[in-house]
Amino acid sequence: EIQLQESGPGLVKPSQSLSLTCSVTGYTITSGYDWSWIRKFPGNKMEWMGYISNSGSTNYNPSLKIRISITRDTSKNQFFLQLNSVTTEDTATYYCAGLNYGFDYWGQGVMVTVSS
Amino acid sequence: DIQMTQSPSLLSASVGDRVTLSCKASQNIYKYLNWYQQKLGEAPKLLIYYTNSLQTGIPSRFSGSGSGTDYTLTISSLQPEDVATYFCQQYNSWPTFGAGTKLELK
Repeated sequence: EIQLQESGPGLVKPSQSLSLTCSVTGYTITSGYDWSWIRKFPGNKMEWMGYISNSGSTNYNPSLKIRISITRDTSKNQFFLQLNSVTTEDTATYYCAGLNYGFDYWGQGVMVTVSS
Repeated sequence: DIQMTQSPSLLSASVGDRVTLSCKASQNIYKYLNWYQQKLGEAPKLLIYYTNSLQTGIPSRFSGSGSGTDYTLTISSLQPEDVATYFCQQYNSWPTFGAGTKLELK
């Protein structure tokens, strides 16, 4: 069974960087799928942030392109999100997900608050 | 980016009702449309992909249809466990989501 689990700090200060890890079990991230980050804002709006493919290429939401980086560690079967220069508007629940035709597999999500 | 508009935002229905949720895209998305169910405190679950393909393990009372800019998720006979928020998502360009329809029991 494929499982994803997000981890990282729940509180980040404005102007700092947000860093999250997604650990994948039950599947090797180089075997298939595109490994995505998605966030859900207070009020329910969801935003796809970007993905790293199983081959290691990346694709980002144009609205985040200058602030976002998604990387991976294949030896640990993990992929990572870094979002720079955060503001209070980046407060959201962050999910990692495996993308095929749809987002087939999701982590439980981690709530991140941006506040001083 | 492609805007997705879902209606209604809130829907009350009774057990056994046929329920229809709508999703409209701001431009033609050529059936690249998925539906998700999210229950309170849980991650979203993929129900339908490419407009009308049922994800493995999803009950057959869920079905999808549509083309062009207009898409529909139908629950043929509402069950208590179907109480959730339902999101549509297009992938004709980078993925974007609708704001969701919250489905509650009357």
